[in-house]
Amino acid sequence: EVLLVESGGDLVQPGGSLRLSCAASGFSVDRDYMTWVRQAPGKGLEWVAVIYSAGSKHYADSVRGRFNISRDNSRKRVSLQMDNLSVEDTATYFCARWGATCGGRSCYEFWGRGTRVTVSS
Amino acid sequence: AIQMTQSPSSLLASVGDRVTITCRAGQDIKKDLAWFHQTPGKAPRLLISATSSLRSGVPSRYSGSGSGTLFTLTISSLQPEDVGTYFCLQDFRFPHTFGQGTKLEI
Repeated sequence: EVLLVESGGDLVQPGGSLRLSCAASGFSVDRDYMTWVRQAPGKGLEWVAVIYSAGSKHYADSVRGRFNISRDNSRKRVSLQMDNLSVEDTATYFCARWGATCGGRSCYEFWGRGTRVTVSS
Repeated sequence: AIQMTQSPSSLLASVGDRVTITCRAGQDIKKDLAWFHQTPGKAPRLLISATSSLRSGVPSRYSGSGSGTLFTLTISSLQPEDVGTYFCLQDFRFPHTFGQGTKLEI
């Protein structure tokens, strides 16, 4: 069974840092595209970052240069290091797998339940 | 980034109604468009991938169509459990991008 469990959400001051973690089970994180998606309170979904293949990465413009996505294959974890946080980064952060589980095509079939990040002084 | 414009932003309908939500991409994304349903406090649930491929367990009253830049999600006969917010997502090119969402109420 595929399971994604996020952790690390907390209250942090503007300018601070936080590291989120996503524990994966039921598949290998190095064989799929692992992403982070966030949702500010009462707002829509915002795609944040992806890591795949030998470590290729892409980021949303809003976080590029401040966030870093990484992967620990042996521990089956994906992390999101968030630096220089601002109040606009306040959101629930979801870990999601973009895997080839939809008739051989990649899709966002599996999601974690999210971890809440609050940036406030 | 590819911009996704979703409409309407909110929708009030009755049980049994046919409901249509539209998503427009800022450039040709072929058929790389997915639809999600979300209720408060929950993770998004994938309804449809690749424009029209209904995921296992999703009721057949849901359907998707389109290609290129214009896509639609249709609920043929609205049920009470369909309330919530619907999002489209282009997964044609990174960064993937979501539409703004459609809040559906009954």
